[in-house]
Amino acid sequence: EAVLTQSPGTLSLSPGESVTLSCRASQDVRNSYLAWYQQKPGQAPRLLIYDATTRASGIPDRFSGSLSGSDFTLTISRLEPEDFAVYYCQQYGSSPVYTFGQGTKLQIK
Amino acid sequence: QVQLVQSGTEVKKPGSSVKVSCEASGGSFSSSSIAWVRQAPGQGLEWMGRIIPILGITNYAQKFQGRVTITADRSTNSAYMELTSLRSEDTAVYYCARSGPSYYDSSGYYVYWGQGTLVTVSS
Repeated sequence: EAVLTQSPGTLSLSPGESVTLSCRASQDVRNSYLAWYQQKPGQAPRLLIYDATTRASGIPDRFSGSLSGSDFTLTISRLEPEDFAVYYCQQYGSSPVYTFGQGTKLQIK
Repeated sequence: QVQLVQSGTEVKKPGSSVKVSCEASGGSFSSSSIAWVRQAPGQGLEWMGRIIPILGITNYAQKFQGRVTITADRSTNSAYMELTSLRSEDTAVYYCARSGPSYYDSSGYYVYWGQGTLVTVSS
């Protein structure tokens, strides 16, 4: 099973700043089958990005995903107050078992 | 509009079993896959396994092999997750989630999520 390692564990930023979150896979993620989710307290996760770079329906364009080698990144430009949450990556390329990263918490400074 | 509605809160004794249901409405239940993902208090998301209802195929994370069974009933657009030999570490919110438009790996991300079911294991 592919292990996804997210970094950093916690980030403290202010609204208006930009941030890049990292997700590294222990093995190749076939076809860049990687998704990003946002989760707020007491809520189910919300899909942001799939296939590493494709924004899900209704997701603002300040969210973007990219890939560099074996590192996947989620960039959020111009942080809004509602963006402070926990972010998870998930791979679905190492079939038939999928895995999540451990999460990055984005908190207000 | 796709909706996944899960069964309610459960309190179980150690050593017992729990079965959580997930009923889907809207969209195509059979042609997608349904996964179960759990989240222990204050912890991250953990993929437990999935079922492809139209094929009846299940896959489980190694950690849960032998203790979890995921089933589906296409006649009622429902999926079920049964976890046996419960221990305190199984206390968590359990989510069902529906994949993208097909059951292929290319659609293995989760667009739709249930509201979550809290399972508490305590003596």
